[in-house]
Amino acid sequence: DAEITQSPRHKITETGRQVTLACHQTWNHNNMFWYRQDLGHGLRLIHYSYGVQDTNKGEVSDGYSVSRSNTEDLPLTLESAASSQTSVYFCASSESLQGAYNEQFFGPGTRLTVL
Amino acid sequence: AQKVTQAQTEISVVEKEDVTLDCVYETRDTTYYLFWYKQPPSGELVFLIRRNSFDEQNEISGRYSWNFQKSTSSFNFTITASQVVDSAVYFCALSRDHPSGSARQLTFGSGTQLTVLP
Repeated sequence: DAEITQSPRHKITETGRQVTLACHQTWNHNNMFWYRQDLGHGLRLIHYSYGVQDTNKGEVSDGYSVSRSNTEDLPLTLESAASSQTSVYFCASSESLQGAYNEQFFGPGTRLTVL
Repeated sequence: AQKVTQAQTEISVVEKEDVTLDCVYETRDTTYYLFWYKQPPSGELVFLIRRNSFDEQNEISGRYSWNFQKSTSSFNFTITASQVVDSAVYFCALSRDHPSGSARQLTFGSGTQLTVLP
């Protein structure tokens, strides 16, 4: 069955370290998204991609970067982790069919703690 | 800019009570989509419903019902005869209608923590 996976599911790191969170989907979806979830804010969009080699900034992109070298993966990198980036991170993907609503499917989430 | 407001941060009810979760949205678009997601204690996001802006009919699915009113920009969610398993965080979300059909980023509300007590 097609799915979307995230790894690791839990990560503890130290301030200043580089961290990469993986997102992999097997639906062959063109669109992929990264959200972070914080108490009182719901989920907020970090970065998104419409296809290979395409990346765009979302609402809270500072301190994060993504790259899209293939259809299946959109890794999220924290260049220099900060305590403010302690959060739960969700990856999502969707198709891009014209004339139809393209549902977003969410991964299970990664809980990141920055000490 | 789009915005979704869920003013109820936490709600606690006793099992079998009915409960309504409020959602108010702001958008300048004439075509848009509204959603409700459930996040149980296990943490995953569970899709509940999608509604487009042209369909104001109320929807009922078992014990769940949704009331969409464009006049008040609200999309409220009611659980009838609540059960302990309904305890979760519920998110309302809004999406634009992108002309290409793609890239409909979701704008989420801050969520409502529902606790159903036995």
